Amino acid sequence: QSALTQPASVSGSPGQSITITCTGSRTDVGNYNVVSWYQQHPGRAPKLLIYEVHKRPSGVSPRFSGSKSGNTASLTISGLQAEDEADYYCCSYAHVNTWVFGGGTVLTVL
Amino acid sequence: EVQVVESGGGLVQPGGSLRLSCEASGFSFSDYEFNWVRQAPGKGLEWVAYTSRSPATVFYADSVKGRFTISRDSARGSLYLQMKSLRADDTAIYYCARAPETVPVNARFDVWGRGTMVTVSS
Repeated sequence: QSALTQPASVSGSPGQSITITCTGSRTDVGNYNVVSWYQQHPGRAPKLLIYEVHKRPSGVSPRFSGSKSGNTASLTISGLQAEDEADYYCCSYAHVNTWVFGGGTVLTVL
Repeated sequence: EVQVVESGGGLVQPGGSLRLSCEASGFSFSDYEFNWVRQAPGKGLEWVAYTSRSPATVFYADSVKGRFTISRDSARGSLYLQMKSLRADDTAIYYCARAPETVPVNARFDVWGRGTMVTVSS
């Protein structure tokens, strides 16, 4: 199972909005509404931000939102803050009972 | 406090075996599914294995199928990963990740431990 495709890096200034894309195929992102997103700060465990494409767990800021179109899912962070600087990973259920992560995106807050 | 804590990592020679443990606390272990996810040094996340609630259905990534075994002990509130025939490319931090049961499939990993480091080297 190949990893989902994410941009290696994105950047933005405080207060701006950025979007991270996650491209898969008809056998994963395109076929299931089971896309989740995770934030990972250096040396820390991943943290769930978004699940089932657009749902936010309690305690996650509404500045984080998710969407999907066809084989591509997206994570948008609005009102960028310095603390948002981290690595971001998407994940999808894939056919034949497996889950696949994206390669990860490094977000830099300028 | 809801948490999972991994243990059992260490240095092992190629071809060797290791058993990882994940101890859960602060919630009802038997109500949840679990996964192992790993992260090689400087690399991204890779899903490794999944177990449903008991009686457990298990699934594995192709990269570990036939070498790794995931299991759970509800009486102890613990998850395990038995690893054998270890290779250098198994070197990674191994995370235990809780998953609320969702129909039709596991939709999220909502609680993660800090991970345990496994190094496969001679």
